[in-house]
Parts: sequence; C-alpha cells; structure tokens
Amino acid sequence: ETGVTQTPRHLVMGMTNKKSLKCEQHLGHNAMYWYKQSAKKPLELMFVYSLEERVENNSVPSRFSPECPNSSHLFLHLHTLQPEDSALYLCASSQGGVDTQYFGPGTRLTVL
Amino acid sequence: QKEVEQNSGPLSVPEGAIASLNCTYSDRGSQSFFWYRQYSGKSPELIMSIYSNGDKEDGRFTAQLNKASQYVSLLIRDSQPSDSATYLCAVNRGRGSQGNLIFGKGTKLSVKP
Repeated sequence: ETGVTQTPRHLVMGMTNKKSLKCEQHLGHNAMYWYKQSAKKPLELMFVYSLEERVENNSVPSRFSPECPNSSHLFLHLHTLQPEDSALYLCASSQGGVDTQYFGPGTRLTVL
Repeated sequence: QKEVEQNSGPLSVPEGAIASLNCTYSDRGSQSFFWYRQYSGKSPELIMSIYSNGDKEDGRFTAQLNKASQYVSLLIRDSQPSDSATYLCAVNRGRGSQGNLIFGKGTKLSVKP
C-alpha cells in the first residue's frame, strides 16, 4: 500500500464502547497528526506526534487517547464517547522540516 | 476574529471559466500557505503550496499570496466539472517540523457543464 491508510473506514459505536482507530503511513515521514472534521466546521487539529513524541494536544477531552508506537503508526483510542463526537477522523503525516501534510482517507465515526 | 476565513459558497461557475477562491488569515507571522481540495466524502488532497509573495502556477492552478494584505487566493483556469469540490485554505505559522496547520471552513465550488 502507498500513502496514508486508515482503518476502519466506518465505525459505529455506543457511548459505553471502547474502540481504536489506526493510521499507517508509508511515506517515510516522521510526523503524524489526528484531525477531527465535523459538518459545518473547519478541520480541527487534535494531536501532533513528531519523532514519536507528542508535541501538540489541542485541549482534546481525555476520552480520546492517542498512541504512536513508531514513526509509521498512529492510533486513536476511544472510550465513553458522546454523540457530538460523531465526525470524520483524519490522519495525516509530514516530513520534519517540510510542512506539507498528506491525509489518509479518514474514519467516519458515528456514536449512538 | 477567525484565524482563516473563506467564503463558504457555493461558488458556481460555468465550464471553461476561471474560478477564483479567496482566503484571508489573521496571524501576520504566518509563513506557509496551502490549498487542499476535498471531494464529498473523501479526505483533503494537496493542490498547491506557496511561501513567497506573488504567483505560483501549476497547470490550470495558480496560487497568489499577498502577505501585506494577509490574503491568499487560488485561480482555476478552464474549470471542469471534475473540479467541483470543497477547497480548503490552510495556513501554518512557521516552517518547522510540527506543521501546525490552521484550516478555513472551505469554499464549495460547483462547475456547471
């Protein structure tokens, strides 16, 4: 596979469930990002990892927990979400020093 | 004041015309500017990046940057129905490795055959 991949592409979960989103980049980049895209709102940056270290956390609720085990993989662990967390969750990657970001296809999350 | 502003549209142009998309930003220290295209239900894909004042051309696309006016635009020449999408303007305050992009809400473009 090439580029940035995300699984699953669609996810429906109840408020008491625990699930994880996975992102993998095949571009040799060393920075990875999680974004949230809700209807009628701009893309919101959630987390940034550079060289596997979290460098940004934009006041995201603790029910979202990121994990970056290596420079190619990024996870977003979800627990006790709310219906307003339903959105498209996008992963992106970039090469340090070059800030062009490349996006994965996204995970469409619905919280019931 | 919103950090990155775009007219939400929809902007409707006939096939073959020039589509002009505009974006203003509030942080005068911004260094990097990007245009992404997003088809409905898909993820954003990069079209253009621009770092210096002036014009940058790539095929049918031209990005224009005016840092004094805090304004960046995207021109699409010979618009095609396949250009119908939402165009996102993104601004980065620096050129460091963190790539902290601030996005506008996007302008929806519709190209009519």
